[in-house]
Amino acid sequence: QKEVEQNSGPLSVPEGAIASLNCTYSDRVSQSFFWYRQYSGKSPELIMSIYSNGDKEDGRFTAQLNKASQYVSLLIRDSQPSDSATYLCAVNSRAGGTSYGKLTFGQGTILTVHP
Amino acid sequence: EAQVTQNPRYLITVTGKKLTVTCSQNMNHEYMSWYRQDPGLGLRQIYYSMNVEVTDKGDVPEGYKVSRKEKRNFPLILESPSPNQTSLYFCASSLFGSNEQFFGPGTRLTVL
Repeated sequence: QKEVEQNSGPLSVPEGAIASLNCTYSDRVSQSFFWYRQYSGKSPELIMSIYSNGDKEDGRFTAQLNKASQYVSLLIRDSQPSDSATYLCAVNSRAGGTSYGKLTFGQGTILTVHP
Repeated sequence: EAQVTQNPRYLITVTGKKLTVTCSQNMNHEYMSWYRQDPGLGLRQIYYSMNVEVTDKGDVPEGYKVSRKEKRNFPLILESPSPNQTSLYFCASSLFGSNEQFFGPGTRLTVL
């Protein structure tokens, strides 16, 4: 089992719809969870971080974390064509007995928002 | 402007010719890391550094070296590059105690 798995894409939604991106992780002691957006040919850009169970909202983005189910998701409301990108889920995992510093990434989900 | 810079951005080289990719950050971050990104494999960590003179292996360290002599710089060294090191490389940094990493623009390396 991969350490961090994302729902296979590509995902295509119409403009104005809600895009739902999912991610599961295997390390139960993971503490920090991140969503990065990566446009084609560009570097990953941090868009959301979440550390405790529940929802965290930032504008049109909502991150949801369920540590019992080892599941983290990203909802994008009122999707826009400019949201078309690859979304990477990243989980902080243990490194040398500490949790600091090591991020493990999922393989990414390609999202296309069509007008 | 707070940023992570990498040089060069593009590099085509031949097997066995030593090369260095530089990474520099101006945010006074303690933590720095190198990743490679390959289609279907996602981002994989090569090496990371928690502070000056402190480095450790990531998931795919074979064929790479790093050094951290100054806080702002974290060069990636390929002493004898091979074609399987053809990839897109990213440097990232973060503050101590934070796992929110900020990425450089990437270096596309081709080894012939």
